[in-house]
Amino acid sequence: NAGVMQNPRHLVRRRGQEARLRCSPMKGHSHVYWYRQLPEEGLKFMVYLQKENIIDESGMPKERFSAEFPKEGPSILRIQQVVRGDSAAYFCASSANRGYTGELFFGEGSRLTVL
Amino acid sequence: GQQLNQSPQSMFIQEGEDVSMNCTSSSIFNTWLWYKQEPGEGPVLLIALYKAGELTSNGRLTAQFGITRKDSFLNISASIPSDVGIYFCAGQVGRAGTASKLTFGTGTRLQVTL
Repeated sequence: NAGVMQNPRHLVRRRGQEARLRCSPMKGHSHVYWYRQLPEEGLKFMVYLQKENIIDESGMPKERFSAEFPKEGPSILRIQQVVRGDSAAYFCASSANRGYTGELFFGEGSRLTVL
Repeated sequence: GQQLNQSPQSMFIQEGEDVSMNCTSSSIFNTWLWYKQEPGEGPVLLIALYKAGELTSNGRLTAQFGITRKDSFLNISASIPSDVGIYFCAGQVGRAGTASKLTFGTGTRLQVTL
């Protein structure tokens, strides 16, 4: 299965700790998007990255949140000093490099619980 | 910012019934997509629409891209229990060929009873 891979699937952190979520895009994709979903709500855009570049971070909170997509390895969404309000499902999606058709393919998500 | 409103918020239907849901926007989108999400999983793409007025089918699913480019609907015919889930519309400002973020709607939760 060459789909979008996210890990960990579940992560528990105490307030003040750091959370790191990883995303490996589909084979051949170099566009990665991160979304956050609160319970009973839709997906909210956070950030769009290409290899080594942040293209659109208009949905990222100004503090504590950062994202990267290095030349080698997965994309990382990092949340520093987590608070209870950060508890959510974080989804990563990827899209094709060429002949882009608007289709984003999603991973199964990482569910963060902050105690 | 851009906002997509879906209606209805939830639906309870009997197996075999047809379902219709729609999505409206305060601004224009150049691509519309419909996704389905089941509990504990990520959204899965159902249908993509690229031109105003376009009507596209995928099995029992039919979706249309509104002429004003500010709305779309999704129909499911002859519903079955595995249709249960949350259906999201999503819009993209950029045209096909240009990667950009998707803006998601608020979702329609579908329950199917036997």
